[in-house]
Amino acid sequence: DAKTTQPPSMDCAEGRAANLPCNHSTISGNEYVYWYRQIHSQGPQYIIHGLKNNETNEMASLIITEDRKSSTLILPHATLRDTAVYYCIVRASTNAGNMLTFGGGTRLMVKP
Amino acid sequence: EAQVTQNPRYLITVTGKKLTVTCSQNMNHEYMSWYRQDPGLGLRQIYYSMNVEVTDKGDVPEGYKVSRKEKRNFPLILESPSPNQTSLYFCASSYVGSGNTEAFFGQGTRLTVV
Repeated sequence: DAKTTQPPSMDCAEGRAANLPCNHSTISGNEYVYWYRQIHSQGPQYIIHGLKNNETNEMASLIITEDRKSSTLILPHATLRDTAVYYCIVRASTNAGNMLTFGGGTRLMVKP
Repeated sequence: EAQVTQNPRYLITVTGKKLTVTCSQNMNHEYMSWYRQDPGLGLRQIYYSMNVEVTDKGDVPEGYKVSRKEKRNFPLILESPSPNQTSLYFCASSYVGSGNTEAFFGQGTRLTVV
């Protein structure tokens, strides 16, 4: 599975959009981009995933560049409860082990 | 409610005393796995199972055993725990898919081996 690069930390003001970038320049055609988050030692929580097209759900939006080498997770109106470590993971459709390889993630701090 | 349940949530034990951490899911998922999380090392996979009676090693299997006798349960067994197995453990489950599947995680088990 392709490696991802994320900034180690970011701050965001409460109520503003949080834009979390992820670089996956070695991604291949059959690899999905997944985002999970972990709130203070709780189990990781699935947020969203995509292959080529931008995706939106009730939690967030995922913007994938046309060349698929990078993506951005957008939390449209960040709240204090969104403070967490956010993981960008690239996983192949042929990953028989279904394993998620977690990197260091981005520690998002939402401030009042 | 769809969930993955781990027990116990917290456990302090002594070196060499066998223990089992249970994991159960109610989503009829084929795939289940165990991760451990350590400061500076992130989440690493210990073992996984693609279905009943099918298990395989992850990245850090040494010192652990698993079994998958039923689809819903995937216990993690430490036959002779050592202090370097002090960690935060997570169980996860998902459908076996084409990469287009989300994983559900349990709430974690914090294990301390003294």
